[in-house]
Amino acid sequence: DTAVSQTPKYLVTQMGNDKSIKCEQNLGHDTMYWYKQDSKKFLKIMFSYNNKELIINETVPNRFSPKSPDKAHLNLHINSLELGDSAVYFCASSQGISEKLFFGSGTQLSVL
Amino acid sequence: DQQVKQNSPSLSVQEGRISILNCDYTNSMFDYFLWYKKYPAEGPTFLISISSIKDKNEDGRFTVFLNKSAKHLSLHIVPSQPGDSAVYFCAASGGNKLVFGAGTILRVKS
Repeated sequence: DTAVSQTPKYLVTQMGNDKSIKCEQNLGHDTMYWYKQDSKKFLKIMFSYNNKELIINETVPNRFSPKSPDKAHLNLHINSLELGDSAVYFCASSQGISEKLFFGSGTQLSVL
Repeated sequence: DQQVKQNSPSLSVQEGRISILNCDYTNSMFDYFLWYKKYPAEGPTFLISISSIKDKNEDGRFTVFLNKSAKHLSLHIVPSQPGDSAVYFCAASGGNKLVFGAGTILRVKS
């Protein structure tokens, strides 16, 4: 039973499209995150939600909009996709605002 | 501006020997450091951590050393096993977010 699951695992789409990545955690954690692993392999935080409230919003284009319908879900919607959005996106969760994160297996996004 | 640097993109070690992975950081406000391990097609998993009030933390075959004056930490794996082959990410925390390095690919040869 996967602790942090994100779908889809692979996403190939055209420039200009709008897409969503879903994330769910069954650990009972109250904090969820989205990280982006870019071409240089750095994992960079994009957003963090604690109890459905946005607490971290890094310098991310406003084409990216996270949505947290409840503590167990944090979805990422991306409008008007660009080539530079191609990356692996990881969802994660933690109990409280903690450094010990539990990651999903990632979504490989390819924008053509 | 990369605040956490892992200068060795890859490391190859013989099974049974010691693996030493290094990490440097620039922000003196970081007070908690972690190592994560990542297999292909999986997300990173927490491995071991150390608080800035300590200089060593050990968990089985894994030991993390912290040198605050040098802003340097290292992960030692002894003895290395083929199953340790993975990408290892160093991460640092000084507030409400983690800053990750780019990772080091460890290959343990049998």
